[in-house]
Amino acid sequence: QVQLVQSGTELKKPGSSVKVSCKASGGIFTDYAFTWVRQAPGQGLEWMGGTIPIFGTANYAQKFQGRVVITADESTNTASMELSSLRSDDTAVYYCARGPYSSGYPPSADYFDLWGQGTLVTVSS
Amino acid sequence: DIQMTQSPSTLSASVGDRVTITCRASQSISSWLAWYQQKPGRAPKLLIYKASRLESGVPLRFSGSGSETEFTLTISSLQPDDFATYYCQQYNSYSKTFGQGTKVEIK
Repeated sequence: QVQLVQSGTELKKPGSSVKVSCKASGGIFTDYAFTWVRQAPGQGLEWMGGTIPIFGTANYAQKFQGRVVITADESTNTASMELSSLRSDDTAVYYCARGPYSSGYPPSADYFDLWGQGTLVTVSS
Repeated sequence: DIQMTQSPSTLSASVGDRVTITCRASQSISSWLAWYQQKPGRAPKLLIYKASRLESGVPLRFSGSGSETEFTLTISSLQPDDFATYYCQQYNSYSKTFGQGTKVEIK
């Protein structure tokens, strides 16, 4: 079955870090780009960044530069997103998503045709 | 970054209505636009990519059109399962952006 399964709910203190994982099953891991999108309570979708495992590249939204690291491990078919220096306004559901990419320069993710179930990260003292 | 603006923010409609949602880009994105449907507590679901290409398994009542800076998502005959929030997303640039969403409510 083709799916993305994310790690579970997290409760974190302000200033700490969180790492959310996303295990892909079905399909060839390196055929796709993996992206992270978050959604604060009652708000819209916000693109955070992504990685293209076959190129080993990652790019991030300006807003998260320096605070987020997105990686992919081909050996375990798992993409991960680590967000540091957490604040209360980082409380959100974090989604991983998979999709095709364009092999331009630089290579870039396109749209997202498969999504994980979401991981709730709550930041509270 | 390219800004994506959807209208309306909320839409009230009845089953059987024809519904149109607009998405405008702050600069030309050619046809590099996708549409998603999201229901409460669920992950988004891809409906349309490359402005007008229907994702496999998506009902034919959904269609997309447009290019450059103006795009539309049309539901030809609204069904009970279609009450949800819809988002556009551009992938013309290295940094992706979503519209703010359009909630389709029952009238």
